[in-house]
Amino acid sequence: DAGVIQSPRHEVTEMGQEVTLRCKPISGHNSLFWYRQTMMRGLELLIYFNNNVPIDDSGMPEDRFSAKMPNASFSTLKIQPSEPRDSAVYFCASSLIGADYEQYFGPGTRLTVT
Amino acid sequence: AQSVTQLDSHVSVSEGTPVLLRCNYSSSYSPSLFWYVQHPNKGLQLLLKYTSAATLVKGINGFEAEFKKSETSFHLTKPSAHMSDAAEYFCVVSEGNYGQNFVFGPGTRLSVLP
Repeated sequence: DAGVIQSPRHEVTEMGQEVTLRCKPISGHNSLFWYRQTMMRGLELLIYFNNNVPIDDSGMPEDRFSAKMPNASFSTLKIQPSEPRDSAVYFCASSLIGADYEQYFGPGTRLTVT
Repeated sequence: AQSVTQLDSHVSVSEGTPVLLRCNYSSSYSPSLFWYVQHPNKGLQLLLKYTSAATLVKGINGFEAEFKKSETSFHLTKPSAHMSDAAEYFCVVSEGNYGQNFVFGPGTRLSVLP
């Protein structure tokens, strides 16, 4: 299996621009998670989906952030407009509900907002 | 509410000596516990997991951890450190529906000296 795939791996953008991060979960997995990692706050869960339905988005920092999962094999995390404080590494993870809860992580997208 | 404390932000050992990374958790229910490792500029990889089976859990690369409910601890150990073990290690507790609500500890950076 190819594992969780994220794109792009690196993104540099200017403040105010829209940023879209993409994730392809492991085939057959039915849960998908978006995390953000920063030096100050560590790893934070932003949102997760079960069977393409958002279950808990309480970690989404504000209305500038939105996430979608239109089908079982694709999800996006969008930031509009982006701000310098959004600079972080964003991870996507997937899992199979009931399979000992193990989450498999993608390589991450390093976002820099200037 | 669940939480994780990793008692050391940085641990330094010599190659060939034992490794001990400490983790204490707080959970209202019977938790699942995990250790993940993150090498520089990489995603997170699962080392091992405890999900209410045997309290001594063996993982990859010679790591193991023991769940001690009375001490609310889940310390990670390895008998002999290798240079390739140098990385960031995260202790994770999960509970809630399907155990999907992962809470990460702040991480412990392991340095291995030649």
